[in-house]
Amino acid sequence: DQQVKQNSPSLSVQEGRISILNCDYTNSMFDYFLWYKKYPAEGPTFLISISSIKDKNEDGRFTVFLNKSAKHLSLHIVPSQPGDSAVYFCAAEGTYKYIFGTGTRLKVLA
Amino acid sequence: DTGVSQDPRHKITKRGQNVTFRCDPISEHNRLYWYRQTLGQGPEFLTYFQNEAQLEKSRLLSDRFSAERPKGSFSTLEIQRTEQGDSAMYLCASSLGLTGHIQYFGAGTRLSVL
Repeated sequence: DQQVKQNSPSLSVQEGRISILNCDYTNSMFDYFLWYKKYPAEGPTFLISISSIKDKNEDGRFTVFLNKSAKHLSLHIVPSQPGDSAVYFCAAEGTYKYIFGTGTRLKVLA
Repeated sequence: DTGVSQDPRHKITKRGQNVTFRCDPISEHNRLYWYRQTLGQGPEFLTYFQNEAQLEKSRLLSDRFSAERPKGSFSTLEIQRTEQGDSAMYLCASSLGLTGHIQYFGAGTRLSVL
């Protein structure tokens, strides 16, 4: 059973526009949600997180929104830059471990 | 470099051989995790250490998989009698205990079983 789902395997966005990546989860007991970015041949790199008691967290160009009633979170990147092109993983923190989604490949077009 | 270090970066082996991977976490981190990632999937949790104690290993994929962290510093992941289905990226991560929910990942060891 996939507890964390990223239903869009890929996304293309023009440079300067907003990128919106989505993630759905099934377990309401998760404490934290995180977004990681992964470049080829590198490990996942932490991007931004949100506690389950909040509905928004912002860090520079990156904002994560959490809708607990819908069990949905999204990552907004504004403005998108070509260097943002990578695979983005949504993760939920349960007891000591992460459960990852399958990732969304973002391509920002110059 | 003070990040998580994994060795080797790539390992090619023949089916039936044993392989061992090493992970050096960030020095002050007391928690260490192993994940496996296959093509098109997100990382999948395998096992977890707090200091030298292995607190969760039920997700290790079979009894051919084992992990150790003998002195609470570096860790090893061993796969015995490798199979082609073991081919994957093996990722190690570390974090700073009770107050640190952010895990920091190494670059991984890519295993290819021929």
